[in-house]
Amino acid sequence: GQQLNQSPQSMFIQEGEDVSMNCTSSSIFNTWLWYKQDPGEGPVLLIALYKAGELTSNGRLTAQFGITRKDSFLNISASIPSDVGIYFCAGQLSPNAGKSTFGDGTTLTVKP
Amino acid sequence: EAGVTQFPSHSVIEKGQTVTLRCDPISGHDNLYWYRRVMGKEIKFLLHFVKESKQDESGMPNNRFLAERTGGTYSTLKVQPAELEDSGVYFCASSQGGLRDSPLHFGNGTRLTVT
Repeated sequence: GQQLNQSPQSMFIQEGEDVSMNCTSSSIFNTWLWYKQDPGEGPVLLIALYKAGELTSNGRLTAQFGITRKDSFLNISASIPSDVGIYFCAGQLSPNAGKSTFGDGTTLTVKP
Repeated sequence: EAGVTQFPSHSVIEKGQTVTLRCDPISGHDNLYWYRRVMGKEIKFLLHFVKESKQDESGMPNNRFLAERTGGTYSTLKVQPAELEDSGVYFCASSQGGLRDSPLHFGNGTRLTVT
């Protein structure tokens, strides 16, 4: 089946630093999603991307849908302690379908 | 509105026993999904209900897993008999569906440990 390679697996950064993580796939997706999971909770959608080349921001978060439709990245600027968590990328073939293929996650630790 | 709720939050059982996980989706959401994350790996799709019907169960690992959604409201996922490799976090998610901006809403998951 389809697989997403998400990197890095983990990151340890200082508060105030910028963060970048990405996802690549061997096959095309038509929708890319980025989720964050806080400890003990379920993933929460951060950003949804529906069009190749699309660049979308949500506060300090910026994500892009790669032009080849096989990759996406997420940037977090000026990190703060509450950014700690696991970030997952996910791809979908249809924007209306909830069946997603997820990456392994990037665990982010922010040191105050 | 109340979010997706899952019960129990944790379950520890012995190999060979049976466990039933429950999910209550957001009221009015026709689409209900089960996902699983095993040992820090990716979150993997198990199956998808539209109302009470199974739309896609291609991710179910084997016939030890049985999912039901009687009446199109809450859903249960039964594992019988449980094996060690079934350990992981089982997530349920729901969505209204049919709309592009109808994202998945995940529950907090059930952490299953099979010893």
